[in-house]
Amino acid sequence: NFMLTQPHSVSESPGKTVTISCTRSSGSIATNFVQWYQQRPGSSPTTVIYEDNHRPSGVPDRFSGSIDSSSNSASLTISGLKTEDEADYYCQSYDSDNQVVFGGGTKLTVL
Amino acid sequence: QVQLQESGPGLVKPSQTLSLTCTVSGGSISSGSYYWSWIRQHPGKGLEWIGYIYSSGSIYDNPSLTSRVTISIDTSKNQFSLKLSSVTAADTAVYYCARMWIAAHQFDNWGRGTLVTVSS
Repeated sequence: NFMLTQPHSVSESPGKTVTISCTRSSGSIATNFVQWYQQRPGSSPTTVIYEDNHRPSGVPDRFSGSIDSSSNSASLTISGLKTEDEADYYCQSYDSDNQVVFGGGTKLTVL
Repeated sequence: QVQLQESGPGLVKPSQTLSLTCTVSGGSISSGSYYWSWIRQHPGKGLEWIGYIYSSGSIYDNPSLTSRVTISIDTSKNQFSLKLSSVTAADTAVYYCARMWIAAHQFDNWGRGTLVTVSS
């Protein structure tokens, strides 16, 4: 199986841009789609990015996703940070055996 | 609008079996585009995939839990279920049911989650 490694926490000021990384330990990051979920305290996760770089309807275009094969990682970038973006963010992918893996989560603080 | 709702005991004794059911409303669990999934979150921790089931009964689950997990589906009731045997305090968590869109392996619809505490 493989792992997805995220930074434990990131912080940035309102209006700025933050990027959260998600590094795959084995197997190519480009082979299987990566999703990103936002989870606010006491709530269920919701999708902010699916299929590497697609935004569900209702998610602001301040959220974007990308894949970098050279570092075997995915990234979630949030621009024009708002206090409402403060949450935990999880990346998620899978492998050819249909095994699903979540990253450990990144706590975003907007201060 | 499809909704998922978990139900089951909130307290389970150690060594017993945790049993949860997810009821799907607003859509058919027999839809060919989705897997029906269980995910848990230990208090203050990250998300852990438990497993998922297709309407045909095909199952994929987390190798770390395989020996204790049973996932089943009842298309007539539009429900799917989780049983986790021989529970310990380490199984205390919020348990979510979720719908996974097969094409992207994306969990696109989640229940609200239910806290299950393992304690005597």
